Amino acid sequence: NAGVTQTPKFRILKIGQSMTLQCTQDMNHNYMYWYRQDPGMGLKLIYYSVGAGITDKGEVPNGYNVSRSTTEDFPLRLELAAPSQTSVYFCASWRGNGYTFGSGTRLTVV
Amino acid sequence: TQLLEQSPQFLSIQEGENLTVYCNSSSVFSSLQWYRQEPGEGPVLLVTVVTGGEVKKLKRLTFQFGDARKDSSLHITAAQPGDTGLYLCAGYNTGNQFYFGTGTSLTVIP
Repeated sequence: NAGVTQTPKFRILKIGQSMTLQCTQDMNHNYMYWYRQDPGMGLKLIYYSVGAGITDKGEVPNGYNVSRSTTEDFPLRLELAAPSQTSVYFCASWRGNGYTFGSGTRLTVV
Repeated sequence: TQLLEQSPQFLSIQEGENLTVYCNSSSVFSSLQWYRQEPGEGPVLLVTVVTGGEVKKLKRLTFQFGDARKDSSLHITAAQPGDTGLYLCAGYNTGNQFYFGTGTSLTVIP
């Protein structure tokens, strides 16, 4: 009963580096999401997917990319890390009446 | 523009006290949810309300959806240290757009 699993838990990147945040769910949910959470700013939607092969931009997509080759996996890619991308990132799936979130990735860009 | 405003932003109370957290909007929401987020974890869904005036109870937590479906409240009776966390409201407006509130950080002191 894993739900939504995110890796890594913590990561420090240097400016300009790239990385992929992994997200996988075992509930066979079609809808998946990436949010970032900054202090006092709530959760902002980066990208979402309504099913394998379909992705769309959210409120704050700049600097990020996603792919959805399978129902289970929804990785988030940062190509050229910037200090403004320092945040906590949450992956989530939608279960009909609400979100199931992963435990988050705390990313620091220095 | 923040569509869902929560108040207070921070709340620190003694164990055993009662408290109310508010979630307000100028827009009508077709449904509204409340989540609790503990440090280092993702938000966890507590309840969904869909009908104006609806009241739902979850042990010591009472959730109410406003008659006009523009606001909601969360009341906790006899708060316990385990209630400590960030409380987030979220919901779909009538344009089918989903928003998270700014959050209320609650600390219950033993």
